[in-house]
Amino acid sequence: DTEVTQTPKHLVMGMTNKKSLKCEQHMGHRAMYWYKQKAKKPPELMFVYSYEKLSINESVPSRFSPECPNSSLLNLHLHALQPEDSALYLCASSPEGVGSPLHFGNGTRLTVT
Amino acid sequence: QKEVEQNSGPLSVPEGAIASLNCTYSDRGSQSFFWYRQYSGKSPELIMFIYSNGDKEDGRFTAQLNKASQYVSLLIRDSQPSDSATYLCAVRKIKAAGNKLTFGGGTRVLVKP
Repeated sequence: DTEVTQTPKHLVMGMTNKKSLKCEQHMGHRAMYWYKQKAKKPPELMFVYSYEKLSINESVPSRFSPECPNSSLLNLHLHALQPEDSALYLCASSPEGVGSPLHFGNGTRLTVT
Repeated sequence: QKEVEQNSGPLSVPEGAIASLNCTYSDRGSQSFFWYRQYSGKSPELIMFIYSNGDKEDGRFTAQLNKASQYVSLLIRDSQPSDSATYLCAVRKIKAAGNKLTFGGGTRVLVKP
């Protein structure tokens, strides 16, 4: 079992809905990440939080809004998504330091109808 | 030129043989290198990481790094059908704003009994 927990596992939402993805880790990691992965493609970085501050935003559309309420939690708020946003959304965490590996959660499979 | 490049495969390997996967990267500022395994529909799972030139062995896996030539490879000895998966190479460098992990496109490996 992964030490990074993501909820929900699956989410189906309409284009006018507002929903949130949640991620939690209790490994004391101070960096947390959101990645998006389409089928047969590698994960694409969306956001990085370091010590609860947003450090990287990879020019993600504003319909995706990240939030890091504390060092253990990471949310991704979704609003007015498009069908092409359907993907596997992966949360990861890592200790600080360039040599530190990322530990991924099991992901949320999102379908936008 | 992509930042991290891998042959997409599939790489077909007989059971018990050695699978050899290669990855090249474009940014000489890259500092650490990771191999992840991803089964279909699942999240990436860390296999190994390396940040010094040379070889690093862990069980049936060996990672090799050559910074002068900007490539990193993964050898899987005594390949098993359970090794059939997509292998993602990932490269980490320090950006001004924080750490960033970039994935290659992945190599699909098929181990045939």
